[in-house]
Amino acid sequence: EVQLVESGGGLVQPGGSLRLSCAASGFTSNTYWMSWVRQAPGKGLEWVANINQDGNEKSYVDSVKGRFTISRDSAKNLMYLQMNSLRDDDTAVYYCARDGPGTRGYFDLWGRGTLVIVSS
Amino acid sequence: DIVMTQSPDSLALSLGERATINCKSSQSVLYSSNNKNYLAWYQQKPGQPPKLLIYWASTRESGVPDRFSGSGSATDFTLTISGLQAEDVAVYYCQQSYTSPFTFGPGTTVDIK
Repeated sequence: EVQLVESGGGLVQPGGSLRLSCAASGFTSNTYWMSWVRQAPGKGLEWVANINQDGNEKSYVDSVKGRFTISRDSAKNLMYLQMNSLRDDDTAVYYCARDGPGTRGYFDLWGRGTLVIVSS
Repeated sequence: DIVMTQSPDSLALSLGERATINCKSSQSVLYSSNNKNYLAWYQQKPGQPPKLLIYWASTRESGVPDRFSGSGSATDFTLTISGLQAEDVAVYYCQQSYTSPFTFGPGTTVDIK
């Protein structure tokens, strides 16, 4: 089955760190751009970061630049989001998403998400 | 950043009626080199991740019912649900994939009257 499964979410204090993981199965993830998209409770969707097939091209939304790092291990079909200096407004469900075939920027496969709560 | 807006915020229609959701981008998302509009539509049901419905403004994703259609170009786009079904109750988002950061509209809630 083609799917993405996120893990690593949880409760963390402001200023703390978490590393999210995304496991891809059923397809060769290293042929796709991959992204993280988040959704604060009761709010809309916000693209967070993406990474290209080789892992050498990355982009971030301004609000996470310098705090979050996206990476991937293509051999293991895994993608990561290292989140440092977490703030209250980073509280959200974080989705792993696959960018469309041969392109980037729209998302044709989504995981079920992992919840990150930043609170003291 | 490209700002995406949607209208209406919500709508409630009877089963079988046509639903029309509008989306506007703050700048054109049409690439002149390939004549593609970098605009996607998603459906999100409660407790579920978003699901891609439409990309390139009007190309239906595989498996999406043909009652869903997308139209528009440059800065103005429309998602139409022709013949609303009970399972279409959801929040619908437009999103530009023209340039990073890839921004979403605020969403339109569709409900049954």
